[in-house]
Amino acid sequence: EDKVVQSPLSLVVHEGDTVTLNCSYEVTNFRSLLWYKQEKKAPTFLFMLTSSGIEKKSGRLSSILDKKELFSILNITATQTGDSAVYLCAVVYGNKLVFGAGTILRVKS
Amino acid sequence: DSGVTQTPKHLITATGQRVTLRCSPRSGDLSVYWYQQSLDQGLQFLIQYYNGEERAKGNILERFSAQQFPDLHSELNLSSLELGDSALYFCASSAAVAGPSTDTQYFGPGTRLTVL
Repeated sequence: EDKVVQSPLSLVVHEGDTVTLNCSYEVTNFRSLLWYKQEKKAPTFLFMLTSSGIEKKSGRLSSILDKKELFSILNITATQTGDSAVYLCAVVYGNKLVFGAGTILRVKS
Repeated sequence: DSGVTQTPKHLITATGQRVTLRCSPRSGDLSVYWYQQSLDQGLQFLIQYYNGEERAKGNILERFSAQQFPDLHSELNLSSLELGDSALYFCASSAAVAGPSTDTQYFGPGTRLTVL
């Protein structure tokens, strides 16, 4: 069965820490992997990854995809309380899109 | 503000009833997607329409249906509602054509449905 698994389920860090969130997938006909940040409202788009080994970067956030090992990581450096959110990974394959369960990140001041 | 609008914001109804959720995409976007987010199921893709035609289908129940109108707004119809249908329903839009988007999707604020 096709699936998308995110880890950890949740984590709590202090401001200034660096965190790494993981997303692994087992799908056929992979097309792309998307990262979203969801606070108390709708998800907001962070990155779209289609090629292995090419890092996408936006400020303190970066992400990379490994299509051989079938996973992606999302890194957040120098975390801030505003980074507290649920981070969702989604995989587009064939004509389907499946989300992982998300990682709950809480950044304490 | 993503530019995607959804109405109503909240909806409370009883089991067995039928409701309609409405979504207006961002100006210029032709694709509309519907998602369901519940505590036990997470975020689930339901269906995509592009310029009035169905393009991709996810985990949408037979009791649910959607359509996209010539002015590109979309409606999600939920019938014979059950307690388990209580969830946050998101609409998203993108410029993409084929299948679930490899293009950026912009999410609306969601409609929270509570079935009592």
